[in-house]
Formats: sequence, C-alpha cells, structure tokens
Amino acid sequence: GAGVSQSPSNKVTEKGKDVELRCDPISGHTALYWYRQSLGQGLEFLIYFQGNSAPDKSGLPSDRFSAERTGGSVSTLTIQRTQQEDSAVYLCASSLMSRPNEKLFFGSGTQLSVL
Amino acid sequence: TQLLEQSPQFLSIQEGENLTVYCNSSSVFSSLQWYRQEPGEGPVLLVTVVTGGEVKKLKRLTFQFGDARKDSSLHITAAQPGDTGLYLCAGGVRLRDMRFGAGTRLTVKP
Repeated sequence: GAGVSQSPSNKVTEKGKDVELRCDPISGHTALYWYRQSLGQGLEFLIYFQGNSAPDKSGLPSDRFSAERTGGSVSTLTIQRTQQEDSAVYLCASSLMSRPNEKLFFGSGTQLSVL
Repeated sequence: TQLLEQSPQFLSIQEGENLTVYCNSSSVFSSLQWYRQEPGEGPVLLVTVVTGGEVKKLKRLTFQFGDARKDSSLHITAAQPGDTGLYLCAGGVRLRDMRFGAGTRLTVKP
C-alpha cells in the first residue's frame, strides 16, 4: 500500500477483555515497530521486527502484551486481559532497514480505550 | 535508557512570531530526528541530524544539533497556523534504538 495502515482506528473495550491491533506496513519494508503513546507522554517503544530475525521484545510492559508478524508483512499486537492503564494510542511504523539515516513511516494509530 | 527532555511542553503564539523549542539529554546520540505529529495522525519525519554542530534548514524551520551531540533545537521563523502540531525529537544509534521525547505542543493562532 501507499502507507502504513493500522486497524481499527478506534477500539473501546471493557477491562479484562483481549484486543488485537493490526498493522500493515509499507510493501518491501523489512523492519516493523510498535510504539505506545499515552497522553502527555512520548512514544514508548514496545517491540521491533526485522525480517526473519527474532523480535526485540524488550519494550513490552508485561506478559499480557504480545505481537507477531506473519510472512514478514502484517503484524498483530495482542493485549490480553486489558487494564485501564493500557488506554493509549498504539502506533505502528515501518522502515526499509534499521540504519540511523533511514526513515520511520508511521501509521495513524489505534486509539484504545479501556473502560 | 537515554532520556530526552523537550521544552517547553506547550507553546501558543500568534501567526508571524518566531519560536525555538529544545531537546536535551545527558547522553550522546549518534543521530537525532525531529518529527511533527498532527491530531489523529502518526508522526512524520522532518529531519535527521548526525554531525555535531550540524545545521539543517527546511523552508522556515532551522534544526541544529549541539556540538557534543547531546542536544538539539528547532527554530521556526514567521510561524503559520499550518505549523501547529506536536514536535517530537528522537535519538538513538539505529532506528530500533530510537527513543522519543514527550514533545512540544505548538499552537499558532491566526
């Protein structure tokens, strides 16, 4: 596609429910990133995928969070047993590689609200 | 974890005014990027600086990387309402290591 696509754009869920957030990166981009943006906070790194390498999960805040990337393209971020503090905008980004001068291309995000 | 502090947190000015926002850290960065984010959208890259003392210009925006590569500034000349948005700085060795500041939320009033 022309850009990074995320769905849904908005998600309202009840505390304790599981949610799945989807990211479709730019075609040909081997690197994919998930970030969380809470109100008044910067972007918090969650997880990074590069090709077929093992993902860097160092930013996942708890074992309720997991992500996968199928076929080196689409990625799904899953949050189990959601809590109110999980409410935030979840942003996905992709890049050709992970070198410093590469560009990160972001999707428009999924606004998650946990009631 | 490399901490990036941005100031001011909020800035509201009139169209035509000049402004400078800052990004500071106690750590040295191999590269630093500036992004602008508009409501309901993801951040969009404005510039990448990699050399200490480097100055880059993008129309009315001037970006400077500190000599010691620990800080950066963004200066906007004759601000316009279209400049309104959240300005984020991010630093790191590689994109996977990039860590973001909390941003400066700029409002330019017509």
